Amino acid sequence: DSGVTQTPKHLITATGQRVTLRCSPRSGDLSVYWYQQSLDQGLQFLIQYYNGEERAKGNILERFSAQQFPDLHSELNLSSLELGDSALYFCASSALAGTDTQYFGPGTRLTVL
Amino acid sequence: LAKTTQPISMDSYEGQEVNITCSHNNIATNDYITWYQQFPSQGPRFIIQGYKTKVTNEVASLFIPADRKSSTLSLPRVSLSDTAVYYCLVGDRYTGGFKTIFGAGTRLFVKA
Repeated sequence: DSGVTQTPKHLITATGQRVTLRCSPRSGDLSVYWYQQSLDQGLQFLIQYYNGEERAKGNILERFSAQQFPDLHSELNLSSLELGDSALYFCASSALAGTDTQYFGPGTRLTVL
Repeated sequence: LAKTTQPISMDSYEGQEVNITCSHNNIATNDYITWYQQFPSQGPRFIIQGYKTKVTNEVASLFIPADRKSSTLSLPRVSLSDTAVYYCLVGDRYTGGFKTIFGAGTRLFVKA
């Protein structure tokens, strides 16, 4: 158990819909990262927050947005969903802002029908 | 941001030592090298991190030559349960604005 929690574990929705994925980092960690992993693909970095502020941005689509709240939990919002958005979405946390050891959550499996 | 290159896949047998090499030719002075392991449908798990020379923990060793342009993850006496994807990651440990790029990783398959 990494100490990072993600909800929900599974999510099935239809094209055009909007969903919110939630992540609670390990106690004391200030950085939260979001990744997307499609079937048999590598991890694609989406975005990083550090202590409430956006720190780095990867290839995150404009339809996707995220935020980190004062209690340090984070939410990833995916809107106007397309079939290609079906993937595993991982959240990770770390203590530092840089390439510190990241602890990954169990992921949310999103299926868009 | 340093880019990494790893073999796409490797095969091994139980009990053998496995060495996976990662190339990172444009590594920066402040960059650390970190390796992660990922099983199917699970989040990656930290294995080991180093800056130079050799680092060893209970599961692996990391060898980094003096020029730091490559690194080798060594897994002693692998078992079937070590079948996984291994990612090499390079970046500044402390400063912000770092874009984590895991790449395709190395798919290790351990056979009986």
